[in-house]
Amino acid sequence: GNSVTQMEGPVTLSEEAFLTINCTYTATGYPSLFWYVQYPGEGLQLLLKATKADDKGSNKGFEATYRKETTSFHLEKGSVQVSDSAVYFCALLYSSASKIIFGSGTRLSIRP
Amino acid sequence: GAGVSQSPRYKVAKRGQDVALRCDPISGHVSLFWYQQALGQGPEFLTYFQNEAQLDKSGLPSDRFFAERPEGSVSTLKIQRTQQEDSAVYLCASSQDLLLTDTQYFGPGTRLTVL
Repeated sequence: GNSVTQMEGPVTLSEEAFLTINCTYTATGYPSLFWYVQYPGEGLQLLLKATKADDKGSNKGFEATYRKETTSFHLEKGSVQVSDSAVYFCALLYSSASKIIFGSGTRLSIRP
Repeated sequence: GAGVSQSPRYKVAKRGQDVALRCDPISGHVSLFWYQQALGQGPEFLTYFQNEAQLDKSGLPSDRFFAERPEGSVSTLKIQRTQQEDSAVYLCASSQDLLLTDTQYFGPGTRLTVL
């Protein structure tokens, strides 16, 4: 079946470090791919998305590229800030289906 | 404008009690979704409405779970005879249009604890 596997956390980095959170998916066809972020005490927010192969989603300095050949959608940021501390979820959605399928989440903590 | 709101934010129930969780979607949003998020896990789909029609309820874990959206706006998720395994955060999301790929906007969730 369709599923999303992402890097287990927690991930702890120093401010200004480079971030990569790995995400791979198993799916038939061509889903849309997403990264959602959940800041402490807040609801899930869409961070970025990509709807077809080789698309790059970007927002707030974060980027992820839809790689069909490796079925991956890794999240990257060149220089993290303390305010990026949150839980990050990789997810997929088919246009023919109603449900978003989420990974289990990666908790990111940034030290000043 | 206002985002998706949910109430109550926290609910403690004794095993066997019935609970009702409310979701107010963004005004004018056609589609509404419910998800269940267990501790340390990602959200899992429960059910989907398009206006007042419940088009997919494949994720509801048992017949103790029931959702409605009678006027195509506010939605209520009801859990009858709650069990400890029902403890989770229940998330509501809405999207503007009929396209299922539209961005889903999430509420803050209701944290349900069943004792």
